[in-house]
Amino acid sequence: KNEVEQSPQNLTAQEGEFITINCSYSVGISALHWLQQHPGGGIVSLFMLSSGKKKHGRLIATINIQEKHSSLHITASHPRDSAVYICAVEGMRFGAGTRLTVKP
Amino acid sequence: NAGVTQTPKFQVLKTGQSMTLQCAQDMNHEYMSWYRQDPGMGLRLIHYSVGAGITDQGEVPNGYNVSRSTTEDFPLRLLSAAPSQTSVYFCASSTGGLNEKLFFGSGTQLSVL
Repeated sequence: KNEVEQSPQNLTAQEGEFITINCSYSVGISALHWLQQHPGGGIVSLFMLSSGKKKHGRLIATINIQEKHSSLHITASHPRDSAVYICAVEGMRFGAGTRLTVKP
Repeated sequence: NAGVTQTPKFQVLKTGQSMTLQCAQDMNHEYMSWYRQDPGMGLRLIHYSVGAGITDQGEVPNGYNVSRSTTEDFPLRLLSAAPSQTSVYFCASSTGGLNEKLFFGSGTQLSVL
C-alpha cells in the first residue's frame, strides 16, 4: 500500500462544476503539498499547508492532520484546469496523481 | 528570472552509455532535488542536496550519482544506463528543506534502449 493515496485516479467534469480531489496518507507529517502538472509536463506548486485551509483564486486546499487527509477543491471549474493534480507529503513522498479533464 | 533550468529536454541512450542531466537554478536556493516520474507510480525522489558540498540519497538512488559543487548546479549522472532508467526526470529547488515550496524544472524525457 502506498504511503500516499489519491482519489479518484481520473475525473471528468463539465465546465462550471465543483471539483474535489482527495489525498490520504499513512505517515505522520507536518506539511503537505499540492502540485499541478500540465499536459505539457511542467509541474507547478499550488499549495503547501500544515493545518486548516488555504485559498488561491478558485482553488482551495484543506488538511486534517489528525485524520491524515487533505482535499483540493476547484470551484467553477474551467477547461484550463485540466491537468494532473499531485499530492506530496513531508519527505517528498508523492501520490500517483489525479487526472482531471474539464469539458466545455 | 529563469528559475530552474533542465537540459536536455529529450535524450535517447543505449544500454551501458553514460550521461549527465543538467540542472541549474538562479534563485539562490539551498535545497535541490532530483525525481523520476514513471506511469502510474508518481514522482520518486532520487537524490537531494541541502547545500553546496552536501548530498544524500532519496527513495531510488541506485544507478545514479550526484554532486553539488556550487549552489546553482546539481547534475545527475547515469553511470551505465539501463532500460529500467527510462523515465521522465525532474529537478526541483526550494528555499529550505523538503517542506518548503518547490520550484520544478521542465523535465527531461530519457529513453534507454
